This record gives sequence, structure tokens and C-alpha cells, in this order.
Amino acid sequence: DGGITQSPKYLFRKEGQNVTLSCEQNLNHDAMYWYRQDPGQGLRLIYYSQIVNDFQKGDIAEGYSVSREKKESFPLTVTSAQKNPTAFYLCASSIRLAHNSPLHFGNGTRLTVT
Amino acid sequence: DQQVKQNSPSLSVQEGRISILNCDYTNSMFDYFLWYKKYPAEGPTFLISISSIKDKNEDGRFTVFLNKSAKHLSLHIVPSQPGDSAVYFCASFYNQGGKLIFGQGTELSVKP
Repeated sequence: DGGITQSPKYLFRKEGQNVTLSCEQNLNHDAMYWYRQDPGQGLRLIYYSQIVNDFQKGDIAEGYSVSREKKESFPLTVTSAQKNPTAFYLCASSIRLAHNSPLHFGNGTRLTVT
Repeated sequence: DQQVKQNSPSLSVQEGRISILNCDYTNSMFDYFLWYKKYPAEGPTFLISISSIKDKNEDGRFTVFLNKSAKHLSLHIVPSQPGDSAVYFCASFYNQGGKLIFGQGTELSVKP
């Protein structure tokens, strides 16, 4: 089955620690994205990547970093500089970065930082 | 600044009736609009879309209407079914910016 796998489903970290969220896709999609969902705020774009070895900041990139060394993988690192890291993180991919290329989402990772 | 707004956080509808979910946007450069459906603890799934050159797109029980002059779109579900209970997000694509901007979501509850 083709799809997007995010792991783990739940993640707990102490404040001040960096943490990396995994996202893998086997859909052969060029574009990948990271969104963050907070109550009452919808989905906000953190980073996106049109193609391997390229990525762009989204609307709320501060305190986050990404890499795109392989087409299938787009890991997100939440650094200690992120002021409010506790959230539900969603990874997505699309055939290409275009309006008529709907996003396919993973099932998310809920990160709790205490 | 919220460029895509869904002003109703929740909506409750009786099974068999029509559900109407609304969405407003501020940027007249948006040229493509999409609706996504999300169940708890899952990622959103694509439901239906509409280009700015159209004012209506229909897919089975789902119809999306676009009013460009009012910068408003709506999703109609007829007839509503209990399995439609989910959070619905509208999203707008800005071709020049190359990214999708989501609204806050509306939680639909369809009661049997």
C-alpha cells in the first residue's frame, strides 16, 4: 500500500531537548510538507520541499529544521528554540507543488514537551 | 493574519438533512480552493476542489460553491450521514506563493 508513515504516533520530551519527527512516503511524490495543528488555528505550514535537496520555510519555521536528502524522507527537527513545541504535527506529500496536486497526509505525531 | 477563515467552529445536523460549511478568504490572488476532511487521530484527506474559473463543482453528495466577488466558498453535503461527522478544513492555494493555506476547521456532527 502506498502512503505516508509518520512515527512515532506519540512523543514525549523534556524542555530543552531537540527531537526529530520521522516522515516517509512511498508514493513517489516530489513535494513534501510539514504542518502543525493547534486547537482553533487550523493547519499552519512549517516547511516544504519541492524536490530532493531543496526546502523552503513556511509561515512558522522558527525553531524548526528539516532535511530532504532522499525523495522518500522529510524529517522534521523541533529544536529547543521553538517556544511552544507541544502540538500535533502532520506530514504531507503531493505529486508536485501545484494547486491541482492534492496533499496526502500521514496520521500525525503528537508531541508533548514538559 | 488569518487569510482563510472558517468562522463556525462546530455544526450539528440531523441525518438526511443538508450540511453547509462556510469559508471566507481575504486574498483575491487565491486561485484554487480545496476541502479536506479529518477524523480524530488521523491526517486530513482530500475531499473536493474548485478552480477560481468555476463557481460550482459537484462530486456525489458533495458540492462546493465559490462566490469570488464575496470571497466566499461553501461545502454542501446532501444528504448528511453519521459517517460524515469529522472536522472539515477549507484551504486556498496561492499560485504565486506556491503553498496551501488552511482555515481553522469546522467540526461537523451528524446525528442519527
